[in-house]
Amino acid sequence: QSVLTQPPSASGTPGQRVTISCSGSSSNIGSNTVNWYQQLPGTAPKLLIYSNNQRPSGVPDRFSGSKSGTSASLAISGLQSEDEADYYCAAWDDSLNAVVFGGGTKLTVL
Amino acid sequence: EVQLVESGGGLIQPGGSLRLSCAASGFTVSSNYMSWVRQAPGKGLEWVSVIYSGGSTYYADSVKGRFTISRDNSKNTLYLQMNSLRAEDTAVYYCARSYCSSTSCYFAAIDYWGQGTLVTVSS
Repeated sequence: QSVLTQPPSASGTPGQRVTISCSGSSSNIGSNTVNWYQQLPGTAPKLLIYSNNQRPSGVPDRFSGSKSGTSASLAISGLQSEDEADYYCAAWDDSLNAVVFGGGTKLTVL
Repeated sequence: EVQLVESGGGLIQPGGSLRLSCAASGFTVSSNYMSWVRQAPGKGLEWVSVIYSGGSTYYADSVKGRFTISRDNSKNTLYLQMNSLRAEDTAVYYCARSYCSSTSCYFAAIDYWGQGTLVTVSS
């Protein structure tokens, strides 16, 4: 059981907008920034969003992040087949003095 | 170009020890926050340890007292010494660098990952 809670799966059709949630507590999301990763099968994770809503260079603006209180969300608009991957949220936890990850959400493009 | 290349993984018996290495190029390890993150087969990501640029270290509870993170500045290399290994330590271990902008560093935002090295703990 992960410290950050994500739905195990999500799905959408091409062109659709999907959101993935990430729920935490006051010691992690409530007091620190949230980051999101995309992991394609057999590859290392890729940073999609940092500091709640910032995109590293090269990440399409179809990907956006938000945070409110102890929860965060990743939104993907204009869904494409290549977006089919596992998505993870992560944040620093002040109580654990550790980086905590969500359990991951498997996104299927129907 | 930033590169992280791990080595040292393999098959080890329960209770054994292993040292992972991560050779970095394109940046200076000692000036960055460097982490180890692992992923058990078919499972999610689990953060293992971090070493700050100032030398402070932190560990996940699951490895505290058994694993030690360190770096060799002269070799620009990160290490993870793993002792008293257990079956549940079986995973791909990634070496990782936290993202730093011109003004701030973000501990949990990892912008560069190695290719990973597989550690299998089994008798």
